[in-house]
Amino acid sequence: EAQVTQNPRYLITVTGKKLTVTCSQNMNHEYMSWYRQDPGLGLRQIYYSMNVEVTDKGDVPEGYKVSRKEKRNFPLILESPSPNQTSLYFCASSLMLAGGPNEDTGELFFGEGSRLTVL
Amino acid sequence: KNQVEQSPQSLIILEGKNCTLQCNYTVSPFSNLRWYKQDTGRGPVSLTIMTFSENTKSNGRYTATLDADTKQSSLHITASQLSDSASYICVVSWNTGGFKTIFGAGTRLFVKA
Repeated sequence: EAQVTQNPRYLITVTGKKLTVTCSQNMNHEYMSWYRQDPGLGLRQIYYSMNVEVTDKGDVPEGYKVSRKEKRNFPLILESPSPNQTSLYFCASSLMLAGGPNEDTGELFFGEGSRLTVL
Repeated sequence: KNQVEQSPQSLIILEGKNCTLQCNYTVSPFSNLRWYKQDTGRGPVSLTIMTFSENTKSNGRYTATLDADTKQSSLHITASQLSDSASYICVVSWNTGGFKTIFGAGTRLFVKA
């Protein structure tokens, strides 16, 4: 079954304790991305990766790191979590087509989400 | 500044009724627009995609329209069911040397029996 798997689904941690949220996809997608979702706001992109070893900042990258050593995995790292990083996090992947206006760039497939609470 | 705005923020309708959700965007150059459905506590799932040249597209009881001139899209839900209760998110993509997406804040739909 084609899917994006995130772990953990729920996590409560304390300020400053490093944590990693894993994301894995089995669809051989080039594009992977992390988002956070907060009440009243749209999904905001944290980091994205166009392919292995290629990562770039999204709209809200501060306090986060990512890596893309393998095509299927795209972990999100919080080196020193703070309470303002309490949020619902989603990983997504997409099969990138040749991009350009009026083209069907890929559908995003989302994981089930990881709810993180930082005390 | 690229933006996607959705209205209404929330909507309550009775089962069996129709409804229309709105999405206005300022993204340029435009590549495509998708509507996603997000059930509570789950990841969003794509309903429809529309490119610049398409005016309307249907997926079962869901029909999306696009007016690229006015930069507006709508999602019409026909004969609503309780399972339609969810958030509906408008997502606009564009490509200027990199794949970019911007998400609307969503419309929260409640369908009551």
